[in-house]
Amino acid sequence: EAGVAQSPRYKIIEKRQSVAFWCNPISGHATLYWYQQILGQGPKLLIQFQNNGVVDDSQLPKDRFSAERLKGVDSTLKIQPAKLEDSAVYLCASSLEQGASYEQYFGPGTRLTVT
Amino acid sequence: QKEVEQDPGPLSVPEGAIVSLNCTYSNSAFQYFMWYRQYSRKGPELLMYTYSSGNKEDGRFTAQVDKSSKYISLFIRDSQPSDSATYLCAMITGGGNKLTFGTGTQLKVEL
Repeated sequence: EAGVAQSPRYKIIEKRQSVAFWCNPISGHATLYWYQQILGQGPKLLIQFQNNGVVDDSQLPKDRFSAERLKGVDSTLKIQPAKLEDSAVYLCASSLEQGASYEQYFGPGTRLTVT
Repeated sequence: QKEVEQDPGPLSVPEGAIVSLNCTYSNSAFQYFMWYRQYSRKGPELLMYTYSSGNKEDGRFTAQVDKSSKYISLFIRDSQPSDSATYLCAMITGGGNKLTFGTGTQLKVEL
């Protein structure tokens, strides 16, 4: 079974530029999550989708971050404009359904450096 | 006070040792308790999850939950150099959707 795929793996941008990350969850997984992991910390949930609907985006900085999952499969996370403090690893995870949030599977992450 | 506290380490042990990794938490509503392993520059990998109190064993790994003390542990028997990684505990309320992670403990198993 293929795992969660993410691209790109690494990205370096200057502050005020924009960037987008892509995620393809495990086949058949209805629930998709985006996390931000700052160095030395545990992942923090940014947004959760159930199929193509948003379940929780309470910790998403909506003035600069946006995410979509138009067809209920792939998802993109965008930052515009980026700030220095956005430097982190952005992780995508998926679970079979919302009720199985205790069994989430993570992708390899995208390491973002903002200079 | 953070909802989940975890000693960041680093923890260094010789090969073959028994490793004990721990987390404490403050939210009594947490019902599911997970342990993830994260290798450098990789995403977290789910090792095991436990529902409510009790023990769960999977090979060399044993997870233990004591809800009365709000304390969870992961034991690794016969530790190997390949176990060197950061171990993250995570928790979720019953019916909840948001994992709350600890900061992770960095483990190094030396030959």
